[in-house]
Amino acid sequence: SYELTQPPSVSVSPGQTASITCSGDKLGDKDVSWYQQKPGQSPLLVIYEDFKRPSGSPGRFSGSNSGSTATLTISETQAMDEADYYCQTWDASTYVFGTGTKVTVL
Amino acid sequence: QVQLQESGPRLVKSSETLSLTCTVSGGSIRSYYWSWIRQPPGKGLEWIGYIYDSERTNYKSSLKSRATLSVDTSTNQFSLQLTSVTAADTAVYYCARISGGGREFDLWGQGTLVTVSS
Repeated sequence: SYELTQPPSVSVSPGQTASITCSGDKLGDKDVSWYQQKPGQSPLLVIYEDFKRPSGSPGRFSGSNSGSTATLTISETQAMDEADYYCQTWDASTYVFGTGTKVTVL
Repeated sequence: QVQLQESGPRLVKSSETLSLTCTVSGGSIRSYYWSWIRQPPGKGLEWIGYIYDSERTNYKSSLKSRATLSVDTSTNQFSLQLTSVTAADTAVYYCARISGGGREFDLWGQGTLVTVSS
């Protein structure tokens, strides 16, 4: 089955840029979405189709996808961005989530 | 706006069947794919399966033998049944809507914790 791998944790200082990677076989050929999940809350879609932002998703969230790696970038990171982030793709009519990354804003 | 709400028993005994229902309010259940996703305590997200208009379903391969999704368009609800549960099935269960593009989950319920007891 298809697998997506993320780093367990990323630390970033307020105002700086955080980058979260998601790796999978030929991932660049697939559409990747990203979700933010804060403690006790449901996941929230922040990026879809590699780089598109749904209505309400802040402009500081951006995405890219090429080769075997997709990246979620959070620019000018704020304390409110501290959360778990999951990538997700669609493969052979099934949905796959990444292992998740905890972003800590120090 | 469209909202999703999970309901069902919070405690299920080992070897029995877990049953959850998701009520869609503020919009029609028709013309969308709907899904169940779970998250064991302290762990990541796991997709369980999807359903469309009671005719089209698909499941994660490892759960296919135990999971069944169904839709009731008259009540605007869809449901999950998971048979022969074990402690490993203890998780927060989310219902979610798959977007019109079919590639992502654009709307989620608040989730419900289901504990499997021995």
